[in-house]
Amino acid sequence: QSALTQPASVSGSPGQSITISCTGTSSDVGGYNSVSWYQQHPGKAPKLMIHDVRNRPSGVSNRFSGSKSGNTASLTISGLQAEDEAEYYCSSYTSGSTLVVFGGGTKLTVL
Amino acid sequence: EVQLLESGGGLVQPGGSLRLSCAASGFTFSTSAMAWVRQAPGKGLEWVSGISGSGGTTHYADSVKGRFTISRDNSKNTLDLQMNSLRAEDTAVYYCAKDMAGILPEQFDYWGQGTLVTVSS
Repeated sequence: QSALTQPASVSGSPGQSITISCTGTSSDVGGYNSVSWYQQHPGKAPKLMIHDVRNRPSGVSNRFSGSKSGNTASLTISGLQAEDEAEYYCSSYTSGSTLVVFGGGTKLTVL
Repeated sequence: EVQLLESGGGLVQPGGSLRLSCAASGFTFSTSAMAWVRQAPGKGLEWVSGISGSGGTTHYADSVKGRFTISRDNSKNTLDLQMNSLRAEDTAVYYCAKDMAGILPEQFDYWGQGTLVTVSS
């Protein structure tokens, strides 16, 4: 069982918006702003999409946005495109014995 | 261009040892915290271990504490992971990852292509 809880799958049609949630505790997501989101296509390495809750690295489309409320972080993808179909993982710094925890991943399907 | 190139993966018997290496280039390695993240076949990502830029501070997941040792050589721009007492559940693709802020190894802006470790008799 992963430390952060994500839905197993979400789907949307091209042009629509979707949101993926990532629920933790006050020891990780709720207590710190070191929340990241990664995109992973099959057979590829993860790619950083959002860091520090809501910041996009250079080169990442502004269709991707992040937010946080309490112990839950969210990734929103607007204007869905076929190439957005991938697995998405959230992560957070944690005050627990392990420095970083990941979510179990969410499979995004673009219909 | 930032590049991270892992090596050292392979097939090892339960209880055996393996040493992974990651050759880094394209950034100031000595000021960048680094980490190893693994992914079991068909499963999600798991943070394994991290190390500060100087190498003076290390962190481990509970699942590998006491069995794995992370280290770095800033003169050679290399990151290593010594894995001992390997178990079947350690089977995974192991990624080398660079922390984006360089302080704690917690958010990763560059990843290697991964190296597969298979623990099986």
